[in-house]
Amino acid sequence: DSGVTQTPKHLITATGQRVTLRCSPRSGDLSVYWYQQSLDQGLQFLIQYYNGEERAKGNILERFSAQQFPDLHSELNLSSLELGDSALYFCASSVRTNTGELFFGEGSRLTVL
Amino acid sequence: AQSVTQLDSHVSVSEGTPVLLRCNYSSSYSPSLFWYVQHPNKGLQLLLKYTSAATLVKGINGFEAEFKKSETSFHLTKPSAHMSDAAEYFCVVSVPGVSGGYQKVTFGTGTKLQVIP
Repeated sequence: DSGVTQTPKHLITATGQRVTLRCSPRSGDLSVYWYQQSLDQGLQFLIQYYNGEERAKGNILERFSAQQFPDLHSELNLSSLELGDSALYFCASSVRTNTGELFFGEGSRLTVL
Repeated sequence: AQSVTQLDSHVSVSEGTPVLLRCNYSSSYSPSLFWYVQHPNKGLQLLLKYTSAATLVKGINGFEAEFKKSETSFHLTKPSAHMSDAAEYFCVVSVPGVSGGYQKVTFGTGTKLQVIP
């Protein structure tokens, strides 16, 4: 158990809908990272937050948004969903002063029908 | 800027034979380097990490990696493959963020290891 909790574990929805994925980092970790993993694209970095502020942005679509709240949990919002958004979405966290070791959650599997 | 190149997308070995998964990196700073493993339908788990201490790093499940600065490499090895090693492996480089207090993390594209009985 990495200490990172992601909910829901599985989600099935229809095209055009909106979903929210939630991540609770390990206790004390200030950084949260979101990744998307699909069969055709592999592991793609989406966005990183540090203590509530966005720090780095990767291949995140405009239909997607994220935020990190004062209690350090994070949410990834996916809207106007398309079939191609079906993927495993991972959240990871890391401590402030460590060397970059990430602790991953088990992921949220999104299926868009 | 930093980057990571995993030289093989797929590696196939027989059970009991050595494993070599290759990783090259580039970085403007002294990096920290990691190997993660992902079993099917699971999250990523840290195998081992290099953080400027010993250049030969030992990890879990008998894996080890050697940091070679002159070759900018961090290859993952295991003397004898086991069926349970079949998974995808990711090489990762991490450097301090510009604003400080956080790390900029870059993943390689992954190497899928197949172990043949």
